[in-house]
Amino acid sequence: NAGVTQTPKFQVLKTGQSMTLQCAQDMNHEYMSWYRQDPGMGLRLIHYSVGAGITDQGEVPNGYNVSRSTTEDFPLRLLSAAPSQTSVYFCASSPRTSGNISPEQFFGPGTRLTVL
Amino acid sequence: GQSLEQPSEVTAVEGAIVQINCTYQTSGFYGLSWYQQHDGGAPTFLSYNGLDGLEETGRFSSFLSRSDSYGYLLLQELQMKDSASYFCAVRGTGRRALTFGSGTRLQVQP
Repeated sequence: NAGVTQTPKFQVLKTGQSMTLQCAQDMNHEYMSWYRQDPGMGLRLIHYSVGAGITDQGEVPNGYNVSRSTTEDFPLRLLSAAPSQTSVYFCASSPRTSGNISPEQFFGPGTRLTVL
Repeated sequence: GQSLEQPSEVTAVEGAIVQINCTYQTSGFYGLSWYQQHDGGAPTFLSYNGLDGLEETGRFSSFLSRSDSYGYLLLQELQMKDSASYFCAVRGTGRRALTFGSGTRLQVQP
């Protein structure tokens, strides 16, 4: 199993550009989520999904869109990049155990995004 | 909403024991988790407490007191490779979203 994969590893954008960060998992996990991590800080939840076709907003959703058309993929779209979106973005997934989402999240390696 | 507090930095020497505390405020509570993150790496899951008490996994233990909204991570026989950031995280109402603390940076010195 590859686990959770993210592409690209690094990206530089200009203000106003749009792009999609890719996330895929091959563990058949129902729950997937996107976080951003700013220097010296914890992870803040952007969007999450409890299954294909179901998404919901997290703590900091503004400026980002998501969709979940398959169990495996959960792309994050930046609509019009701003310098405030410079951050490291992590995708994570969790299985469902005993009917609930497992407390263990599996993280991808991250995408380091710089917006100029 | 949810909020968590943990110390920003802790320093200890190799072979010692260190405790990282976490206090939380949450609407609804479905467990406290701990994650480790090395510089430049991704967070990795360490432990979970759904009920009060101590959970032990090798050199690491985690404790939870729901009545005090408090938990801690205990690291024994510290090794240089334990130098990393440690995050506590809670799952609140709806059992879906995981909220992370801002992390404790542990530096292990020789």
